[in-house]
Amino acid sequence: DQQVKQNSPSLSVQEGRISILNCDYTNSMFDYFLWYKKYPAEGPTFLISISSIKDKNEDGRFTVFLNKSAKHLSLHIVPSQPGDSAVYFCAASVEAGNQFYFGTGTSLTVIP
Amino acid sequence: ETGVTQTPRHLVMGMTNKKSLKCEQHLGHNAMYWYKQSAKKPLELMFVYNFKEQTENNSVPSRFSPECPNSSHLFLHLHTLQPEDSALYLCASSQVARGGAETQYFGPGTRLLVL
Repeated sequence: DQQVKQNSPSLSVQEGRISILNCDYTNSMFDYFLWYKKYPAEGPTFLISISSIKDKNEDGRFTVFLNKSAKHLSLHIVPSQPGDSAVYFCAASVEAGNQFYFGTGTSLTVIP
Repeated sequence: ETGVTQTPRHLVMGMTNKKSLKCEQHLGHNAMYWYKQSAKKPLELMFVYNFKEQTENNSVPSRFSPECPNSSHLFLHLHTLQPEDSALYLCASSQVARGGAETQYFGPGTRLLVL
């Protein structure tokens, strides 16, 4: 059974607006979460992470929010730019281990 | 070369062939991973090597055989594959500290097609 789920396979957003990508997980032992971005013909590249001791982490235009009670995290991109068009994966891990569980990805298209 | 490199980038093989995928990391990391990405499925962890020792094998069929000669190189040997093994194979590396999961850095992947 999938422990990390991204229920929206795709998302389209106008340039300059906010993109919100969502991720849900089922394993309450997960305490470290990451977002990766993937362009076609490239491997995933690390974007931003958050530990379960925080509920928000910000890096420039990217902010990740963690709601532990709902087992939900989200990635906000604001303002969205055409270069942000890519597939975004969330991943989760138990911090004591090094196995990550990935979602199926959300394909973001930012329309100029 | 920087980061994580993988060769070849594309591979077409028959079911009776033997081939190998190569991964090299230039980040000084001590752990390396093989993942499989099939269409519309999450990345599936296949193998984990910590300090050159295999620590995870997620029920991967024996037609996939990993080899980690040192902490910078990782191979995936392939033999008698099936068409359903066609996928993107991604290598990753990370620095594993005591008690900590660390960010994994991925290579560009090898797109494999089994005919």
